[in-house]
Amino acid sequence: SQQGEEDPQALSIQEGENATMNCSYKTSINNLQWYRQNSGRGLVHLILIRSNEREKHSGRLRVTLDTSKKSSSLLITASRAADTASYFCATAPYTNAGKSTFGDGTTLTVKP
Amino acid sequence: GAGVSQSPSNKVTEKGKDVELRCDPISGHTALYWYRQSLGQGLEFLIYFQGNSAPDKSGLPSDRFSAERTGGSVSTLTIQRTQQEDSAVYLCASSLSDVHEQYFGPGTRLTVT
Repeated sequence: SQQGEEDPQALSIQEGENATMNCSYKTSINNLQWYRQNSGRGLVHLILIRSNEREKHSGRLRVTLDTSKKSSSLLITASRAADTASYFCATAPYTNAGKSTFGDGTTLTVKP
Repeated sequence: GAGVSQSPSNKVTEKGKDVELRCDPISGHTALYWYRQSLGQGLEFLIYFQGNSAPDKSGLPSDRFSAERTGGSVSTLTIQRTQQEDSAVYLCASSLSDVHEQYFGPGTRLTVT
């Protein structure tokens, strides 16, 4: 099974609301990354958080990491229709950091 | 600067033929990754390179798949004797090192008929 698993699988909210997505993983990690994929093929890197960090911010994005629970969350505040996309977490294992494992993603729909 | 580029963007091939997919990483990035994504699914790790060597090939689905990287830059993913289940989008990414964020190319959509 996938190392990183996102929850929920799908999320639908109104513009202006906050969206929270969660990621759980199984083994020790070097870092955890969040990506966005719009319909189409390209993935865009959002935030990388290292195992010794607990929280990172980037604009309207906030990522938390709880290594004791092996989980991370991505919060998008004041969502916009343009935030509609699939969001993936990827975990880089502690002992083999190059072998990133992606979950199946959370599909976020932001209604105008 | 230029991002990660992949070619071709689309490839339709007949079952049993060999295909070669190419990835040009961002200049200076030592790590390069190949993934496969089926419709509506997450990314499946195939292989990654640190420089020209591949520390982990465990994600390659079968011995029909191989990859190489030369000069610490361009990489090719070769699929021999393609099967219909090989149809997917093949994504390449590169990063400064294997503990940095990855930058993705637009992908190659492979269709095996």
